[in-house]
Amino acid sequence: GAVVSQHPSRVICKSGTSVKIECRSLDFQATTMFWYRQFPKQSLMLMATSNEGSKATYEQGVEKDKFLINHASLTLSTLTVTSAHPEDSSFYICSARRHEKLFFGSGTQLSVL
Amino acid sequence: AQSVTQLDSQVPVFEEAPVELRCNYSSSVSVYLFWYVQYPNQGLQLLLKYLSGSTLVESINGFEAEFNKSQTSFHLRKPSVHISDTAEYFCAVSPNSGGSNYKLTFGKGTLLTVNP
Repeated sequence: GAVVSQHPSRVICKSGTSVKIECRSLDFQATTMFWYRQFPKQSLMLMATSNEGSKATYEQGVEKDKFLINHASLTLSTLTVTSAHPEDSSFYICSARRHEKLFFGSGTQLSVL
Repeated sequence: AQSVTQLDSQVPVFEEAPVELRCNYSSSVSVYLFWYVQYPNQGLQLLLKYLSGSTLVESINGFEAEFNKSQTSFHLRKPSVHISDTAEYFCAVSPNSGGSNYKLTFGKGTLLTVNP
């Protein structure tokens, strides 16, 4: 089956630094990928839709200058959390669309100290 | 806009017992409905989905869910669970219109723990 690899699985950083999270479709090409965020005991919330070769589409309330998304190839989308602060600590998950299905990465736990 | 409510955050059951994981949703438009499962240290996997047609949908591993439009529910059931069913289960909806039908709104998840 289709595999989506997300890296790193866990990252701890200092406040004010930037963190990059990668989402790769290993055995298929994905023109569309999605990024979600999940706070403890909350739902996964869609942050943005990443389209290969074009700008990402952000959901209402998500700061596009803070959460930079780059989908430069058909198998890779990256999410960069810029100038991270403790309130950005969360679980970030990506998914990739293949035909009529979505395949999810295993998530990245970000902790900002 | 859509919202999804999973009424139980944790459901402990004994092996071979039946289980029901509840899901209710609200939406101003017609929706597609999904159940995803996340096993420890793995990504979410699609368990089953309702797009149209028969309101009762089944998965290959014995789970089923029934779409009830009047009650805006999509509860997940299994008549006899196995220890290997221990996982977190997420109910999700998406609008069934054009390019938005991959924009999922998730519930908070239900942790199913099957004990021997």
